[in-house]
Amino acid sequence: NAGVTQTPKFQVLKTGQSMTLQCAQDMNHEYMSWYRQDPGMGLRLIHYSVGAGITDQGEVPNGYNVSRSTTEDFPLRLLSAAPSQTSVYFCASSYSAGRETQYFGPGTRLLVL
Amino acid sequence: GENVEQHPSTLSVQEGDSAVIKCTYSDSASNYFPWYKQELGKRPQLIIDIRSNVGEKKDQRIAVTLNKTAKHFSLHITETQPEDSAVYFCAAYIQKLVFGTGTRLLVSP
Repeated sequence: NAGVTQTPKFQVLKTGQSMTLQCAQDMNHEYMSWYRQDPGMGLRLIHYSVGAGITDQGEVPNGYNVSRSTTEDFPLRLLSAAPSQTSVYFCASSYSAGRETQYFGPGTRLLVL
Repeated sequence: GENVEQHPSTLSVQEGDSAVIKCTYSDSASNYFPWYKQELGKRPQLIIDIRSNVGEKKDQRIAVTLNKTAKHFSLHITETQPEDSAVYFCAAYIQKLVFGTGTRLLVSP
């Protein structure tokens, strides 16, 4: 199993550009989530999904959209990038709920100029 | 929503000493409390977790305690080793997982 994969590993955007961060898992996990990690701020939940077709907001959802059309994929979309979105983004998944071991992807480092 | 506070933000110990990291949570309905370790440049990985029906759990040199009345839980690492140096995150779960801000542990030889 590849586990949780994320692409790209690193991206530079200009303010106002849009992009999609990809996340996929091959473990048949129902629960998937997106976090951003900033120095001194820990891991903050952006959006999460308890299964295909179901998504919900986390702590910091503004500026981000998600969809979950399949069990395997959970892309994160930035509609109009802002410098405040410069961060490291982690995708995570678990078997059935957030109260189980979260398996994190390798992360995507995003720089917005 | 749930709020998790974690202290200290940095912790320096000598090899062989014990380290304790403390977290408090706000929602008394939270029922799952994991701890993650993140080495420099790597992804977070689960090291131990505890559920609300248990007061303490141990795994070799690592232990976690939970006080539901006070709404706090702690990570205890005994006989620390240089490879324990990392950032440690606590988290609490009620419908979604909310993390603390992390503790950078440095173990000096």
